[in-house]
Amino acid sequence: AQSVTQPDIHITVSEGASLELRCNYSYGATPYLFWYVQSPGQGLQLLLKYFSGDTLVQGIKGFEAEFKRSQSSFNLRKPSVHWSDAAEYFCAVGAWGWYGGSQGNLIFGKGTKLSVKP
Amino acid sequence: NAGVTQTPKFQVLKTGQSMTLQCAQDMNHEYMSWYRQDPGMGLRLIHYSVGAGITDQGEVPNGYNVSRSTTEDFPLRLLSAAPSQTSVYFCASAGDSNTEAFFGQGTRLTVV
Repeated sequence: AQSVTQPDIHITVSEGASLELRCNYSYGATPYLFWYVQSPGQGLQLLLKYFSGDTLVQGIKGFEAEFKRSQSSFNLRKPSVHWSDAAEYFCAVGAWGWYGGSQGNLIFGKGTKLSVKP
Repeated sequence: NAGVTQTPKFQVLKTGQSMTLQCAQDMNHEYMSWYRQDPGMGLRLIHYSVGAGITDQGEVPNGYNVSRSTTEDFPLRLLSAAPSQTSVYFCASAGDSNTEAFFGQGTRLTVV
């Protein structure tokens, strides 16, 4: 079965420090992978996505992620965290459905809440 | 650009009441989905549609109905609300079978 694991429920980093959020997936074929961010009381905003090609993906707000097939991982990174990055981050994989393809449906991890210390 | 619009933003229901959460998109997307978000659970798929007239169940469909009579709209109906349906509901749409999903701002539902 398809699944996504985000091992860290809550992470606290100092402003200016580097960040890595972990994501592991379980999927039989080449996955479609996403990172979304959710600020409190808001909807989900796409940070970046991986469909194929270069395994290092650049996203918005200075985030990047690296797809590692051998480790079934898609970790999110940022070299220097800003206070405005405090939010909850969700990793997701495109779900393969009856009609073929993901139909835009996603299987989400349980999220990692990021706190930023001044 | 409106994108995906959900109404209402907040709703309080009594146990046993019914209601419909509205979702509309103006991007001419074929694919639409409903998710619920609960603390510590991430988002879980309730129902989805691959086009007008075609719907299917997701991971947690019980207690919910959907229909898709137009490309633009995908309402979610709660037939008899239960406290376990207290959650934040998100509607999403996608333009292709393997592209990113765009999310609405969510509906916070409380069932008392």
